[in-house]
Amino acid sequence: EVQLEESGGGLVQPGGSLTLSCSASGFNLNNNALHWVRQGPGKGLEYVSGIETNGAKTAYMDLVRGRFTISRDKSKNSLYLHMTDLRPDDTAVYYCVTGRLLLTRDWFDRWGQGIRVIVSS
Amino acid sequence: IQMTQSPSSLSASVGDRVTITCRAGHNVYTFVNWYQQRPGKAPNLLIYAASTLQGGVPSRFSGRGSGTLFTLTINNLQPEDFGTYYCQQSETSPPTFGGGTKVEVK
Repeated sequence: EVQLEESGGGLVQPGGSLTLSCSASGFNLNNNALHWVRQGPGKGLEYVSGIETNGAKTAYMDLVRGRFTISRDKSKNSLYLHMTDLRPDDTAVYYCVTGRLLLTRDWFDRWGQGIRVIVSS
Repeated sequence: IQMTQSPSSLSASVGDRVTITCRAGHNVYTFVNWYQQRPGKAPNLLIYAASTLQGGVPSRFSGRGSGTLFTLTINNLQPEDFGTYYCQQSETSPPTFGGGTKVEVK
């Protein structure tokens, strides 16, 4: 079965750090642009960050630029999101998502089941 | 680029035709995608590039539009179609989503 699986979520205090991971089974992530999309409690979808297939280009939403870093490890077929200086409004379910090759003019065709991040004291 | 969806919610019955509108703040050509999200589940791609049906998606779903105005239409609404629908532009980085349209049972 083809699926994406996120890990690394949990409860963290404001100002803390957390690293999310995403791995794939049944297909190779290395051939795709990869993204993180989040959804706050009772809210809509919000694009967080993306990285192109070759890792040369990345993108971030304004609210997380400078605090979050996206990366990928092709040897481990994995995607990561290193989050620092976390704020209560970063509380959300974070989805790992695949695209095709680029960060634009593309679509999100596979989604993980999501991982919950709660930022609270 | 801001994406504005309307309505934010609607009530409909099985068998109805439903149309959701999405307006882009700038010209996004045909780089608009539509997703369905059922309660407690991850979103699912329905339509990409404004009008192309993703594989496995029923033909009662259709998308139209270009430039700044886009529509998603569901013909003959089925029980499994209730949920929230989102448009998304991918013309510029970072991509942005509309606020969502919740389709509920009348």
